[in-house]
Amino acid sequence: SQELEQSPQSLIVQEGKNLTINCTSSKTLYGLYWYKQKYGEGLIFLMMLQKGGEEKSHEKITAKLDEKKQQSSLHITASQPSHAGIYLCGADRGSGGSNYKLTFGKGTLLTVNP
Amino acid sequence: NAGVTQTPKFQVLKTGQSMTLQCAQDMNHEYMSWYRQDPGMGLRLIHYSVGAGITDQGEVPNGYNVSRSTTEDFPLRLLSAAPSQTSVYFCASRKLAGLLITGELFFGEGSRLTVL
Repeated sequence: SQELEQSPQSLIVQEGKNLTINCTSSKTLYGLYWYKQKYGEGLIFLMMLQKGGEEKSHEKITAKLDEKKQQSSLHITASQPSHAGIYLCGADRGSGGSNYKLTFGKGTLLTVNP
Repeated sequence: NAGVTQTPKFQVLKTGQSMTLQCAQDMNHEYMSWYRQDPGMGLRLIHYSVGAGITDQGEVPNGYNVSRSTTEDFPLRLLSAAPSQTSVYFCASRKLAGLLITGELFFGEGSRLTVL
């Protein structure tokens, strides 16, 4: 079973609109990572969240971690065509390095129409 | 600043052929790993290494071999390619602090492999 569920699987928005992508874990989260991927390219690191309640922002992208719900959300404000791509969440599977395997969700495909 | 470098970027193989995907990083990262990315399946971990001489299996290790003779290099070998191994392969590395993982994975640009 998939340990990290992302929703929605795909999203089409009009330029200027806000949007949210969610990532829910079936297991305890020790570290949550957000990446962006453009088609045919590698993954670009966006943000890392490690503590419950932590919130980080970079330009118009904000990510939050809800430790109790084992969930993270990625929010984009006033979307632009440059935000289009695949957003992936990844999670560390152990504490103190007991499990090095960083696992990923299946991704959310974002399309921003001008 | 090269980061993580993968070669080749594209490769076409026939069933049964062998090949090696190369991965090198210049950031002195202890941890290196290989993922494959398939439509609808996301990124799946194949093998990983926490240092020279130490490797371990990920979620989908069958059909792949790895070795880590230096900190910088982590090649992925396909001994007898199968059509099911058609995929995009990503190498990634990160720093370790003792037993702790201290940050994000840095990814290469990917290698697109087609097995006919």
